[in-house]
Amino acid sequence: DQQVKQNSPSLSVQEGRISILNCDYTNSMFDYFLWYKKYPAEGPTFLISISSIKDKNEDGRFTVFLNKSAKHLSLHIVPSQPGDSAVYFCAAKSGGSNYKLTFGKGTLLTVNP
Amino acid sequence: DAGVIQSPRHEVTEMGQEVTLRCKPISGHDYLFWYRQTMMRGLELLIYFNNNVPIDDSGMPEDRFSAKMPNASFSTLKIQPSEPRDSAVYFCASSEHGTGTYEQYFGPGTRLTVT
Repeated sequence: DQQVKQNSPSLSVQEGRISILNCDYTNSMFDYFLWYKKYPAEGPTFLISISSIKDKNEDGRFTVFLNKSAKHLSLHIVPSQPGDSAVYFCAAKSGGSNYKLTFGKGTLLTVNP
Repeated sequence: DAGVIQSPRHEVTEMGQEVTLRCKPISGHDYLFWYRQTMMRGLELLIYFNNNVPIDDSGMPEDRFSAKMPNASFSTLKIQPSEPRDSAVYFCASSEHGTGTYEQYFGPGTRLTVT
């Protein structure tokens, strides 16, 4: 049973426009959420995170929004750049002192020049 | 500072052989994680350690898999005997307690092919 779902396997946007990547979760005990970016033949790299007590976190061109009632989070990239083309993973941390992360299957973002 | 180091980067072996994957976490990090990535199951946690002690091994698929962390700078994931369905990319990650962000730093991965 997938507790973290990224329903869009791929997304294509034009350079300079906004990219919106979505993630849904089912476990209400998750208390922290992270987004990772992955290039081919490399390990995932941390991008941005948000605690369950917040609804928005911003870092430069990247903003993560959390809607706890809908169990939904999204990553906005503005403006999108060709170098942003990668697979993006949503991850959720189990509550309390458990450091386990549960990952979605990823969304391939392609930013066209 | 060097990131998480994994070796080998690629491993091709025959079914039934023993495979050992190695990981050196970032110095000072007290958590170490082993993940497996496949097309079918995505990125899944196999086991994680805190201060060299295994905390959660519920993701280890079966007894053929074992992981050790003899000291703070080294961990191994062993598969014996290996099977074709073990073919995947195996990632090691480390993190530091107390940062408040729960961010994990990943190594480049080991691509394992079992024929």
